[in-house]
Amino acid sequence: SQELEQSPQSLIVQEGKNLTINCTSSKTLYGLYWYKQKYGEGLIFLMMLQKGGEEKSHEKITAKLDEKKQQSSLHITASQPSHAGIYLCGAHRNTGNQFYFGTGTSLTVIP
Amino acid sequence: SAVISQKPSRDICQRGTSLTIQCQVDSQVTMMFWYRQQPGQSLTLIATANQGSEATYESGFVIDKFPISRPNLTFSTLTVSNMSPEDSSIYLCSVGEGPGAEAFFGQGTRLTVV
Repeated sequence: SQELEQSPQSLIVQEGKNLTINCTSSKTLYGLYWYKQKYGEGLIFLMMLQKGGEEKSHEKITAKLDEKKQQSSLHITASQPSHAGIYLCGAHRNTGNQFYFGTGTSLTVIP
Repeated sequence: SAVISQKPSRDICQRGTSLTIQCQVDSQVTMMFWYRQQPGQSLTLIATANQGSEATYESGFVIDKFPISRPNLTFSTLTVSNMSPEDSSIYLCSVGEGPGAEAFFGQGTRLTVV
C-alpha cells in the first residue's frame, strides 16, 4: 500500500526557533500537498509541489520536494504561536484519484 | 476553487443509533471523498462517493456501516450506522479533480457517541 510517513510525530519549540517537518513516501509521487489543521478545525491548504526539486514559500513557511519525488520537507522560520497546529502532507494515490494523508505532525509553539 | 458545506457541524448521539452527514458543494465536481479523523490522528479515507453507482470503500470500511449516497455531482451523504463510542471522530468530505489539482475539504462533522 502507498503510505506517507511524517516525522517527527510531535514537536514543541520555543517561539522564534526554526523547525523542519519531513514527509516520506515509499513510492514516487505525482505531487505532494501540505495542509495545516488548527486543533478542532478544518484543513488549510498551504502549498502543492509537483516537480522534483521544486521549492515554494509562503510567508515564513518553505516546502521542498526532492528530485526523486519521494520526500518533502516543510520548514518554518522564526516560529510563532500562530504556527501551532497539525501539519499534514498528502498525495494522490498512484493507481487512482484518491487522496490520502501522512501520519501528521503536531506542532506546539511556546511563547 | 470549491466551497463545501457540511452538516451537521457537530452532534452527540446515543450508541446504536445512526447519523447522516450531508456534504454540499457549490459547483459540480467529479470526485467526492469521505474521511474520518479519530482523536489525535491523521485523516483516513473511508470511501470514494461515485455519482450514479455504489461507493468504493477503502480497506477496513464497509457499506453496511458507512452507507454513502451520491445522487448528483454536487451532493453526497455519509451515514454512520449502529454507532458505538469508537465511532466518535471528525468526519470530513472532500472534493478534487485528481492529481495536479488541489483537494478541498469541508469543515468537518464532530461526532460524539455516548
